Amino acid sequence: DTGVSQDPRHKITKRGQNVTFRCDPISEHNRLYWYRQTLGQGPEFLTYFQNEAQLEKSRLLSDRFSAERPKGSFSTLEIQRTEQGDSAMYLCASSPGRTGRGYGYTFGSGTRLTVV
Amino acid sequence: DAKTTQPPSMDCAEGRAANLPCNHSTISGNEYVYWYRQIHSQGPQYIIHGLKNNETNEMASLIITEDRKSSTLILPHATLRDTAVYYCIVRVDLRDYGGSQGNLIFGKGTKLSVKP
Repeated sequence: DTGVSQDPRHKITKRGQNVTFRCDPISEHNRLYWYRQTLGQGPEFLTYFQNEAQLEKSRLLSDRFSAERPKGSFSTLEIQRTEQGDSAMYLCASSPGRTGRGYGYTFGSGTRLTVV
Repeated sequence: DAKTTQPPSMDCAEGRAANLPCNHSTISGNEYVYWYRQIHSQGPQYIIHGLKNNETNEMASLIITEDRKSSTLILPHATLRDTAVYYCIVRVDLRDYGGSQGNLIFGKGTKLSVKP
């Protein structure tokens, strides 16, 4: 297990279309986070999963956004009816929590979304 | 949440030590100082963290002042590959909390440019 994988790396979509991103965390990590990063800014927290349960959503996560982690392993982030303001890098991170080995978050390389 | 203040940019000559400062004057007693960096087009990468004592690992050293109101990340022999945005984050023990209590809150960081 080499790290957190995100797919696709880049996505260009037309305004109004739906897009879905996938994140495969480190297998033994039970915590999973989604962040969004716009140009020149640091990443901003979107949502958090503990195993399969989505426990937190930030106010940045509008009704057009939905995230799932069906079996507590991989996660998907879907954006419906995309808008130009959704253009950003979407980052996934996982962490082991208290009982796991290691420390800190491991981030994926992100999915860069461009809405045209 | 304790806030941090970092210079927006710094330059360093290749092979020299890079000293990145961070002010966190409102840090609480149970909060750690974490450093992450983000190389262009990649996700953030964990570097080091500490509570009170100075810390060193294979990547860097972290010097925390006795009053814990500031810290310095030291890259002892900077290389061109160390060019990145460096984030100083003050947070509770990330192993104990998930979600918005234990997520990473990124500012704009310091853009370090290592020059030949």
